[in-house]
Amino acid sequence: EDQVTQSPEALRLQEGESSSLNCSYTVSGLRGLFWYRQDPGKGPEFLFTLYSAGEEKEKERLKATLTKKESFLHITAPKPEDSATYLCAVQAEGGYNKLIFGAGTRLAVHP
Amino acid sequence: DAGITQSPRHKVTETGTPVTLRCHQTENHRYMYWYRQDPGHGLRLIHYSYGVKDTDKGEVSDGYSVSRSKTEDFLLTLESATSSQTSVYFCAIRDSSNSPLHFGNGTRLTVT
Repeated sequence: EDQVTQSPEALRLQEGESSSLNCSYTVSGLRGLFWYRQDPGKGPEFLFTLYSAGEEKEKERLKATLTKKESFLHITAPKPEDSATYLCAVQAEGGYNKLIFGAGTRLAVHP
Repeated sequence: DAGITQSPRHKVTETGTPVTLRCHQTENHRYMYWYRQDPGHGLRLIHYSYGVKDTDKGEVSDGYSVSRSKTEDFLLTLESATSSQTSVYFCAIRDSSNSPLHFGNGTRLTVT
């Protein structure tokens, strides 16, 4: 069964304290892995797409990486405005219309 | 937001009543989706559409129906609302089968 697991469930950081969020997946064949940011009361906002192992994408303080079993979202020198829930989603082969979402990591960055 | 409007934004209804949620897009995207989001479960797919009048079930489709009579509108109907359908409902769109989903801001539905 296709599955996506995110860890930790919640993470508290001090401003400037770098860390990583994990998304591990079990799918029959990966067609794409997506990272989203979700603020309270809003819909998820697209951040990155990764398609193959070894691929990396960067945007400001965020960097996403992909291996054959997992993806990491690295946050460098975070600021309070990076506080949000980060969601990972996987598109598997044969499920071209369906993304499987993880439960998310709630990130809180304190000044 | 990627030209997606969900209505209403909030609704409280009673058990057993029918409810329709609307998703309207201005992007002319082919694919539209309805998800529900509940604590600890992540986003779960209810139904999706790959064109006008072309729809299919997702993993949690029981108790829900959808219709898409125009490219821009995708309706989600709860035929007879139950308390287990209390949730936040998100509509999403994409222009191809491999592109990212883009989400609306959701409808918070409470069934009492």
